Amino acid sequence: NAGVTQTPKFQVLKTGQSMTLQCAQDMNHEYMSWYRQDPGMGLRLIHYSVGAGITDQGEVPNGYNVSRSTTEDFPLRLLSAAPSQTSVYFCASSLGLAGTSTDTQYFGPGTRLTVL
Amino acid sequence: SQQGEEDPQALSIQEGENATMNCSYKTSINNLQWYRQNSGRGLVHLILIRSNEREKHSGRLRVTLDTSKKSSSLLITASRAADTASYFCATDDEGNNRLAFGKGNQVVVIP
Repeated sequence: NAGVTQTPKFQVLKTGQSMTLQCAQDMNHEYMSWYRQDPGMGLRLIHYSVGAGITDQGEVPNGYNVSRSTTEDFPLRLLSAAPSQTSVYFCASSLGLAGTSTDTQYFGPGTRLTVL
Repeated sequence: SQQGEEDPQALSIQEGENATMNCSYKTSINNLQWYRQNSGRGLVHLILIRSNEREKHSGRLRVTLDTSKKSSSLLITASRAADTASYFCATDDEGNNRLAFGKGNQVVVIP
């Protein structure tokens, strides 16, 4: 199993550009989520999905869109990039919902995004 | 939303010593988890402790949970240089489909 994969590893955008960060998992996990990690801030939840066709907002959703058309894929779209979105983005998946015995998160390697 | 908070933020120890870090949280939980992050990598799950458990061991790791104080500690015994990493706690929020991560503890083990 490849686990959780993310592309690209690095990206530089100009303010106002849009892009999609890709995330895929091959573990048949229902629960997927996107986090951003900033220095001194820990991980903050952007959006999450409890299954194909179902998404919900996390702690910091503004400026980001998600969709979940398949169990495997959970792309994150930046609509109009801003310097405040410079961060490291992590995708994660788990078999079960948060708070269940199967909510161990499996993380991708991350995407380092810089917005100029 | 709740957020785990680790304490202390940074720890530097000699190889062979024990490292202890703490995490506090604010609401009722079902589980508490600890993760490790090596520099430039994704987080890796270390151990999960349920709210009805008080202590759990996994190799050189020992986790305790005190639900009355809403706190947990992670002890790494006989530390090695390879334990150099950031350590995060994560808690669920009862009734909420989310995990909340703390800000992390940076541990440096000096060979």
